[in-house]
Amino acid sequence: EPEVTQTPSHQVTQMGQEVILRCVPISNHLYFYWYRQILGQKVEFLVSFYNNEISEKSEIFDDQFSVERPDGSNFTLKIRSTKLEDSAMYFCASSERTPNQPQHFGDGTRLSIL
Amino acid sequence: QKEVEQDPGPLSVPEGAIVSLNCTYSNSAFQYFMWYRQYSRKGPELLMYTYSSGNKEDGRFTAQVDKSSKYISLFIRDSQPSDSATYLCATSSASKIIFGSGTRLSIRP
Repeated sequence: EPEVTQTPSHQVTQMGQEVILRCVPISNHLYFYWYRQILGQKVEFLVSFYNNEISEKSEIFDDQFSVERPDGSNFTLKIRSTKLEDSAMYFCASSERTPNQPQHFGDGTRLSIL
Repeated sequence: QKEVEQDPGPLSVPEGAIVSLNCTYSNSAFQYFMWYRQYSRKGPELLMYTYSSGNKEDGRFTAQVDKSSKYISLFIRDSQPSDSATYLCATSSASKIIFGSGTRLSIRP
């Protein structure tokens, strides 16, 4: 069964450094998402992306965050200057044709900021 | 008021029991409802996806939505130890999913 893959599984970064999290969505999917889950808390929406544009973003997704689809298969989340509170699991998801289609998630990248 | 509310548990039941998991939501405009299962250190895995009110069955799992009371349920029949996980109810608004906090379920052999 096709799946969303994310790399790396664990990223450790010094505070203030830039980090890029990578995702390969399911190949025929057109909508892409990032979510995060701080330890012990609920999964929270960050951003949705369609047709090379952000279609919706949350309050969490401030100027420190950016997303990109650099080629036909990858979808990335960049955090420009990491803070301690950015430590969390980051999940990528994709859906087929419309945002109301089911979203399928990867296994996440655990980001630890020191 | 939280958009999706879910009892965090933990809930522990013996193998073979019927499990009932429940959520409430606040916005009557929500139309799509989901249940995800999340194992430790894994991503949410879609279990059930329903539109509007009614029941949907898939194997041992039944999802139920009652829009009049804004209530979402998931029933697991003949529960197995492998069903031990955190279960997340969710709804979608525009392009984002809004998750509940998850209920931790443990099935005792």
